[in-house]
Amino acid sequence: EAEVAQSPRYKITEKSQAVAFWCDPISGHATLYWYRQILGQGPELLVQFQDESVVDDSQLPKDRFSAERLKGVDSTLKIQPAELGDSAMYLCASSLDSAYNEQFFGPGTRLTVL
Amino acid sequence: AQKITQTQPGMFVQEKEAVTLDCTYDTSDPSYGLFWYKQPSSGEMIFLIYQGSYDQQNATEGRYSLNFQKARKSANLVISASQLGDSAMYFCAMRESGGSNYKLTFGKGTLLTVNP
Repeated sequence: EAEVAQSPRYKITEKSQAVAFWCDPISGHATLYWYRQILGQGPELLVQFQDESVVDDSQLPKDRFSAERLKGVDSTLKIQPAELGDSAMYLCASSLDSAYNEQFFGPGTRLTVL
Repeated sequence: AQKITQTQPGMFVQEKEAVTLDCTYDTSDPSYGLFWYKQPSSGEMIFLIYQGSYDQQNATEGRYSLNFQKARKSANLVISASQLGDSAMYFCAMRESGGSNYKLTFGKGTLLTVNP
């Protein structure tokens, strides 16, 4: 069964360090999403890609966060420098296209910033 | 104003009984979709059920059904015959069609505990 892959599953870093997360969506899925989920809350969209193009990054803190999907397949989310408040679960999801009903989520990367 | 409201931080249910998880939403978009996701302690989000705003009938998927009351803007999830494996966080989400991104907005979730 096709799945969304994410790595690493867990990451511990110190504040001011750089971290990067990787996501490989389900093959053929044009739309890729990065969400941040703070403990006790629902996921919040950080950035959405349609193929290699960003269609929504309105909630992405652009002074420290960056995201890319160079070939329209896998994607990388980077934080530099990390802050204590960035501790959260980072979830990647994909869908066939942006209008398709179901988003399929990966297992997430749990980030702890010390 | 919050777009998705889940008023139950936690719910308990006995195994084999039914449970209803509440969700109300706020939108002025005539075309929207409502979703329920399950999130076990392992962290992945598992899609459960979908209801479109123009769907005439309530959605059902196995033991899951969505009690859609459009006039009241509610989309409650009903789980019948609860199982121990149903213990998890449950999130209600809404997708509005305005713009081109169809992004999901999630509620804060309800933690369901199924007791043996």
